[in-house]
Amino acid sequence: QQQVKQSPQSLIVQKGGISIINCAYENTAFDYFPWYQQFPGKGPALLIAIRPDVSEKKEGRFTISFNKSAKQFSLHIMDSQPGDSATYFCAASMGTYNFNKFYFGSGTKLNVKP
Amino acid sequence: KAGVTQTPRYLIKTRGQQVTLSCSPISGHRSVSWYQQTPGQGLQFLFEYFSETQRNKGNFPGRFSGRQFSNSRSEMNVSTLELGDSALYLCASSQGGSQETQYFGPGTRLLVL
Repeated sequence: QQQVKQSPQSLIVQKGGISIINCAYENTAFDYFPWYQQFPGKGPALLIAIRPDVSEKKEGRFTISFNKSAKQFSLHIMDSQPGDSATYFCAASMGTYNFNKFYFGSGTKLNVKP
Repeated sequence: KAGVTQTPRYLIKTRGQQVTLSCSPISGHRSVSWYQQTPGQGLQFLFEYFSETQRNKGNFPGRFSGRQFSNSRSEMNVSTLELGDSALYLCASSQGGSQETQYFGPGTRLLVL
């Protein structure tokens, strides 16, 4: 049973466009939501993360929007570039007592067309 | 600083065999976690080690085990391999607190025939 549901599975966006990836969760104990970016042949790398006490966090062209009541969060990539083509994973963890146990979504393969 | 290294990078085994994968964390990192990555399933948490002790585990059968050494290097073992164990196994390290940035290695690609 997937604790974090991610959509879409794949996404094609034109250069300069906005890429949007969505994630949803059920467990209200989740309190930390990172996004990871993975290039072929590499391990995932942290992109940006948010806690549920804020509704939005922006770092450069990357923004996380968080809707606590709907139990949903999304990654927006503004002005998408071909170099952003990668697989993106949302993740969630619950409480510091769970240390570094993360639940990952199934991933979204993003292709940015030049 | 050198990143997380995993060896071997590729492995081919047959059903019923066992396999051991190795992970060397970033220098100074004391926590090592292991994940199984398969298409459509994303990353699934196997276990986390800190100071040679397993402090968290996922929902995998007992065939999956691990250990951590005093230098924080970690190994995971899969016994009695099944076809469904074919996956990319990723190791991640962090300093040792909670909900930290995970620094992933490139993974070991295991194919079970």
